[in-house]
Amino acid sequence: GAVVSQHPSWVICKSGTSVKIECRSLDFQATTMFWYRQFPKQSLMLMATSNEGSKATYEQGVEKDKFLINHASLTLSTLTVTSAHPEDSSFYICSAGVTGLSDTQYFGPGTRLTVL
Amino acid sequence: DAKTTQPPSMDCAEGRAANLPCNHSTISGNEYVYWYRQIHSQGPQYIIHGLKNNETNEMASLIITEDRKSSTLILPHATLRDTAVYYCIVRGKAAGNKLTFGGGTRVLVKP
Repeated sequence: GAVVSQHPSWVICKSGTSVKIECRSLDFQATTMFWYRQFPKQSLMLMATSNEGSKATYEQGVEKDKFLINHASLTLSTLTVTSAHPEDSSFYICSAGVTGLSDTQYFGPGTRLTVL
Repeated sequence: DAKTTQPPSMDCAEGRAANLPCNHSTISGNEYVYWYRQIHSQGPQYIIHGLKNNETNEMASLIITEDRKSSTLILPHATLRDTAVYYCIVRGKAAGNKLTFGGGTRVLVKP
């Protein structure tokens, strides 16, 4: 149980285009989902906290107009990177909080974004 | 959330127990110790967590000192597939509480 999926697993796009990444909790409902970014040889950095039915809370330094987060249901959150540029190339990972089941966060497999 | 300190890297022999230390001297009374690991190019995998009692599951054991200022993750019989970066994180229990990742310990299991 407690499986989190992400789609796509990797994406290559041209500079200036927008890319949407989906995060789904497959066998549980997640009131809260989190989005992280990880650059090569670095640790995970939290970008934002997403609560179902409300606006996301962004960490300091993360542009909310560039990284649009929608959490429309208890099993789906999306991250849209708008007008992507090469410096946005990174590994994006989501996690979902499981209320009541040890309150543990489970992570998706990640999405590798490459902007040319 | 309290910060943690881990050694940046360690090697261990295949088939032997791997003991991964973590210091969290500023942990508060309602904060749990969580351990995750990240195998290269994958999302982090939950391992175990605890409050003050020692915990064991099918993956590992967690030993927390009585004063809760440090803990040790034990992989009882390390395999090559246990090679990963291991993160020790302290946070409050609620599912909405965010995880703050430090540098972790890069564990290399050698044959």
